[in-house]
Amino acid sequence: QSALTQPASVSGSPGQSITISCTGTSSDVGGYNYVSWYQQHPGKAPKLMIYEVSNRPSGVPDRFSGSKSGNTASLTISGLQAEDEADYYCSSYTSSSTPVFGTGTKVTVL
Amino acid sequence: QVQLVESGGGLVKPGGSLRLSCAASGFTFSDYYMSWIRQAPGKGLEWVSYISSSGSTIYYADSVKGRFTISRDNAKNSLYLQMNSLRAEDTAVYYCARDFGMAAHDYWGQGTLVTVSS
Repeated sequence: QSALTQPASVSGSPGQSITISCTGTSSDVGGYNYVSWYQQHPGKAPKLMIYEVSNRPSGVPDRFSGSKSGNTASLTISGLQAEDEADYYCSSYTSSSTPVFGTGTKVTVL
Repeated sequence: QVQLVESGGGLVKPGGSLRLSCAASGFTFSDYYMSWIRQAPGKGLEWVSYISSSGSTIYYADSVKGRFTISRDNAKNSLYLQMNSLRAEDTAVYYCARDFGMAAHDYWGQGTLVTVSS
């Protein structure tokens, strides 16, 4: 199972909105509403930010939102803040009954 | 509160073996699927394996199939990963994670570093 494709980097100024894409195939992203997103700060474990395409776990700010269209899922961060600077990974359930992660995106707050 | 604590990482020679452990607390361990996920230095996340709550269903990534074995002891609230025939490319931080729904992981341990080098 090949990794899902994410842009290597995305940047924005404080207060702006940014969107990270996550492109797969009909065997993963396009075939199931089981896409999740993780935030990882340097040296730390990943943190679940979005599950099942657009659901936020308790405690995750509503500045984070998820969506999906066809084989591409997206994570949008609205009102970008300095603490949002981190690596972000998407993940999807696949037709092999296993998960696959994205290649990862480094978000920089200018 | 939910806690996952990995142990067992270290330096091992190519072809060697290592057993990772993950001690779980703060939740009913026997109710949850669990996974191992790894991250090579400076690289992205790679799912390694998952095991069902009872241990009856197990899946592995192709990259470790036949070399790694996942197991659990619900009486001890513990998850394990037996790693054999280790290769340089297995060098990574290994995280244990609690599965949440399909292909989501809501709690992660702090990770344990495995280095495969001669």
